[in-house]
Amino acid sequence: QQQVKQSPQSLIVQKGGISIINCAYENTAFDYFPWYQQFPGKGPALLIAIRPDVSEKKEGRFTISFNKSAKQFSLHIMDSQPGDSATYFCAASNDNQGGKLIFGQGTELSVKP
Amino acid sequence: NAGVTQTPKFRILKIGQSMTLQCAQDMNHNYMYWYRQDPGMGLKLIYYSVGAGITDKGEVPNGYNVSRSTTEDFPLRLELAAPSQTSVYFCASSRQGGPYEQYFGPGTRLTVT
Repeated sequence: QQQVKQSPQSLIVQKGGISIINCAYENTAFDYFPWYQQFPGKGPALLIAIRPDVSEKKEGRFTISFNKSAKQFSLHIMDSQPGDSATYFCAASNDNQGGKLIFGQGTELSVKP
Repeated sequence: NAGVTQTPKFRILKIGQSMTLQCAQDMNHNYMYWYRQDPGMGLKLIYYSVGAGITDKGEVPNGYNVSRSTTEDFPLRLELAAPSQTSVYFCASSRQGGPYEQYFGPGTRLTVT
């Protein structure tokens, strides 16, 4: 019940296209859902995050869509650029359980010029 | 402001050897974490600490030990290294748990042969 399942494992998108990465969770107590971006040889860095009281959050070309009833959330990257090529991790946490992040398996995104 | 620093960057250990991975942060963060990252598996929490003198187990603590004597430092000790501990190790810190950004170090790539 603590798992966060992420798909796809890898994704290839043409420059200018839309990249979509999906995550699903089981624990309805999760109340914070961040996305982290990791470039090769670097540590992950927070990209964008959402709380379950809203269905969408947008920051520039990055949007999180959140479906509480389906227990799913997704990251949309509009106008994808080669510089977006990285590994993306979704995660979830619950304040009542110490706020520890449970990470998805990761998606390796490659944006072709 | 160096953020989260980790040493060494790379290390090769023989089976049965021991070593300590160093982690330090200069952001005066209370929470610190150790993760391991394996291909296709995401990040798994090994141990975490909510303050000096307080540590607790994460998802995969077996074969590891930690201590937190100061706010700044959070070393991870590997005793009797095994090939299953071959991984990339990341240290992270955050002001608090839950919906607070975790700042990651650059990682230590460890190979046990």
